[in-house]
Amino acid sequence: SQQGEEDPQALSIQEGENATMNCSYKTSINNLQWYRQNSGRGLVHLILIRSNEREKHSGRLRVTLDTSKKSSSLLITASRAADTASYFCAAVSGGYNKLIFGAGTRLAVHP
Amino acid sequence: EAGVTQFPSHSVIEKGQTVTLRCDPISGHDNLYWYRRVMGKEIKFLLHFVKESKQDESGMPNNRFLAERTGGTYSTLKVQPAELEDSGVYFCASSQGISGAGSPLHFGNGTRLTVT
Repeated sequence: SQQGEEDPQALSIQEGENATMNCSYKTSINNLQWYRQNSGRGLVHLILIRSNEREKHSGRLRVTLDTSKKSSSLLITASRAADTASYFCAAVSGGYNKLIFGAGTRLAVHP
Repeated sequence: EAGVTQFPSHSVIEKGQTVTLRCDPISGHDNLYWYRRVMGKEIKFLLHFVKESKQDESGMPNNRFLAERTGGTYSTLKVQPAELEDSGVYFCASSQGISGAGSPLHFGNGTRLTVT
């Protein structure tokens, strides 16, 4: 079975608001990555957090990782209409070299 | 640099026919992955090449799927014969290093396969 499970499945907010997406996984990991997909396009890597890290920032993105709860969250601050996309977390388990994705969160940011 | 390219972008075939998908990774990327997303569900791993060798093909659904990577450059994924449940979007991705070491994947735009 797949590792990542995102929550919520869909999120609708207004421009300027913050968007928080959560991800849970099942086994121990080397690192966890977040990707974004615009409709009809490929996935684009956003940010990576390693198993020994608890928080990481990149521009308007903030990722947290709680290995005791096997969960991660992605926060997008001051959202823009251009942030509208699907967001996926992907876990890399120890000893393996493949990303295990969840079903994603569809984010809609309204002007 | 040119990104990962996939061909075709769309394919509609009848059940029982054969389809071959192609992926050209970013030049110099030894690692090449195939993933599939069916009906809005999770993106599932199919297999991983390191150069021309299959490193991990644990995600291949059955023997109707055959992946090759000639000379460690481009890769093809053949489905023969296609079944209705094979419909979905097939993504190819490449990376310079391995995921376990933290190398991000670079994805193509995918091939949308519809089996009727």
